[in-house]
Amino acid sequence: QVQLQQWGAGLLKPSETLSLTCDVYGGSFSGYYWTWIRKPPGKGLEWIGEITYTGSTKYNPSLKSRVTISADTSKKQFSLRLTSVTAADTAVYYCARDLSYWGQGTLVTVSS
Amino acid sequence: QTVVTQEPSLTVSPGGTVTLTCASSSGAVTSGNWFQQKPGQAPRALIYSSTNKHSWTPARFSGSLLGGKPALTLSGAEPEDEAEYYCLLYYNDELRVFGGGTNLTVL
Repeated sequence: QVQLQQWGAGLLKPSETLSLTCDVYGGSFSGYYWTWIRKPPGKGLEWIGEITYTGSTKYNPSLKSRVTISADTSKKQFSLRLTSVTAADTAVYYCARDLSYWGQGTLVTVSS
Repeated sequence: QTVVTQEPSLTVSPGGTVTLTCASSSGAVTSGNWFQQKPGQAPRALIYSSTNKHSWTPARFSGSLLGGKPALTLSGAEPEDEAEYYCLLYYNDELRVFGGGTNLTVL
């Protein structure tokens, strides 16, 4: 049974850095790709980016200059870092494995 | 900028059939996935690689390509299928773009 448990700060001020981590329980870390997605309030889903088990990354071009996705295979976890946040980054953030198994979501609010 | 368009809203009668589509503003789409999301819940994957079901996907859901566009068909709608449905398109293995979502009402 694959489970993804995500955690990180839920309230940020403008210009701060968003940092979220997703722990993977059950199953292997290798052989899959690991994705971050977000859903702003009242809007649809947005693909942020992904990392493969080999460390190769792909990012949404609209966020690429501010986003870093990394992974620690020994801890079976991967992380999202988004710099210089604004109110537009307020959203529920999700982690996922192969877009098949999803974390529970973390509400991140950016407010002064 | 690549835009993926879905029907904003659709209504289906209980037991009825409805098809949701996913249109791309640009070419080079290689595959598509479908997700169901209910309020307050994480999205649930239904279809991957346009036509493949997950082990947990109810048999009444099916994925296809209609005129080259990924489509999701629900046959025999049930009240619990009322939800937001999102498609995700893959572009040349570099970019993934979600559609704006379809709000499906079972009424």
